[in-house]
Amino acid sequence: QQPVQSPQAVILREGEDAVINCSSSKALYSVHWYRQKHGEAPVFLMILLKGGEQKGHEKISASFNEKKQQSSLYLTASQLSYSGTYFCGTSSSASKIIFGSGTRLSIRP
Amino acid sequence: DAGVIQSPRHEVTEMGQEVTLRCKPISGHDYLFWYRQTMMRGLELLIYFNNNVPIDDSGMPEDRFSAKMPNASFSTLKIQPSEPRDSAVYFCASRIGQGVYGYTFGSGTRLTVV
Repeated sequence: QQPVQSPQAVILREGEDAVINCSSSKALYSVHWYRQKHGEAPVFLMILLKGGEQKGHEKISASFNEKKQQSSLYLTASQLSYSGTYFCGTSSSASKIIFGSGTRLSIRP
Repeated sequence: DAGVIQSPRHEVTEMGQEVTLRCKPISGHDYLFWYRQTMMRGLELLIYFNNNVPIDDSGMPEDRFSAKMPNASFSTLKIQPSEPRDSAVYFCASRIGQGVYGYTFGSGTRLTVV
């Protein structure tokens, strides 16, 4: 079952913040977050495991609410380099992940 | 490490022809995944291997698709015969161990079937 991401697209000015949400209808073992720039491969940002946790990566952090089967990705003080499409990937076991449809993030100077 | 290496980067073929996509995972990674990306369907998991053994091929669209991993450093995805609807970017990704690590993706193969 594909996770649902929202919003589908976001346009920000440099320095603004954004939140991208990911929800699943299945119990989750883990949530992955990736960023893909146009014409390139997805790049791993972080993984969150069940147990409810939050992680940070520079000015990008994420939370995982196991009970609600939801994860959110937080981008603070956005930079031009943050532009791209963000994918969450969810896993109900320790093996494969299924990706959401992506959130396109555009940052304007 | 050179990362996950895929070849070719681009492939244009005529409908009905056989297409073979190749992938070399990162040394030491024991999981290998094949994904297909299109605008309409996003990133779809086709098949994945663990220690060279196919574990889940439920995402393979139909019998025209087949994948092999003869050893730890090489995998192929074959489409025979190819059809225009197979046009997509095919990514190979590898990972070490079970679910606490992220995937490393290759650069992808952009396949166009005319």
